[in-house]
Amino acid sequence: GNSVTQMEGPVTLSEEAFLTINCTYTATGYPSLFWYVQYPGEGLQLLLKATKADDKGSNKGFEATYRKETTSFHLEKGSVQVSDSAVYFCALSSKDYGQNFVFGPGTRLSVLP
Amino acid sequence: EPEVTQTPSHQVTQMGQEVILRCVPISNHLYFYWYRQILGQKVEFLVSFYNNEISEKSEIFDDQFSVERPDGSNFTLKIRSTKLEDSAMYFCASSETDGRADTQYFGPGTRLTVL
Repeated sequence: GNSVTQMEGPVTLSEEAFLTINCTYTATGYPSLFWYVQYPGEGLQLLLKATKADDKGSNKGFEATYRKETTSFHLEKGSVQVSDSAVYFCALSSKDYGQNFVFGPGTRLSVLP
Repeated sequence: EPEVTQTPSHQVTQMGQEVILRCVPISNHLYFYWYRQILGQKVEFLVSFYNNEISEKSEIFDDQFSVERPDGSNFTLKIRSTKLEDSAMYFCASSETDGRADTQYFGPGTRLTVL
């Protein structure tokens, strides 16, 4: 079945550091890929998405490129801020397979001033 | 910007009691979902709902669970007889089209605590 694997956290960075959170997936068909963010005490917010191979999703300085050859959708940001501290979830969905969204386990990011 | 809302934000109940979690999806959305997140664990799909019936459900969604769209705006999740292991954050989501390839918009969640 479909699955998503993320790098284990927590990740602790200093402000203005470069961020990468790895995400790889296993899926039948051609899934859409998403990054959601969960700030402390809040729900899940869509951060960015990509619906086909080589698409790049971007938002708020975050980027991720849909790499079909490596089945990856790594999240990057060039310069993190304290306000980026949150849990980041990689997720996929596919018209060809049920279960709706399949989420990764989440990666907790802490950014220190 | 339209958003999904959920009430209550926190529900505390005794084991064996029934609870109803409420959601108001985005108004022009047609597909509705419930997910849960046990503390510290991943977000898990429970059920999807379209055209007044369940379209998919996971193994978690057993006979203790039910969903309903009682009117044109609300979408509810009922747990008939709560167990300790039902303690979790429950997220409602909605999407305009078939959410399996479309963006799902999530509510802020209801934290359910079963004592």
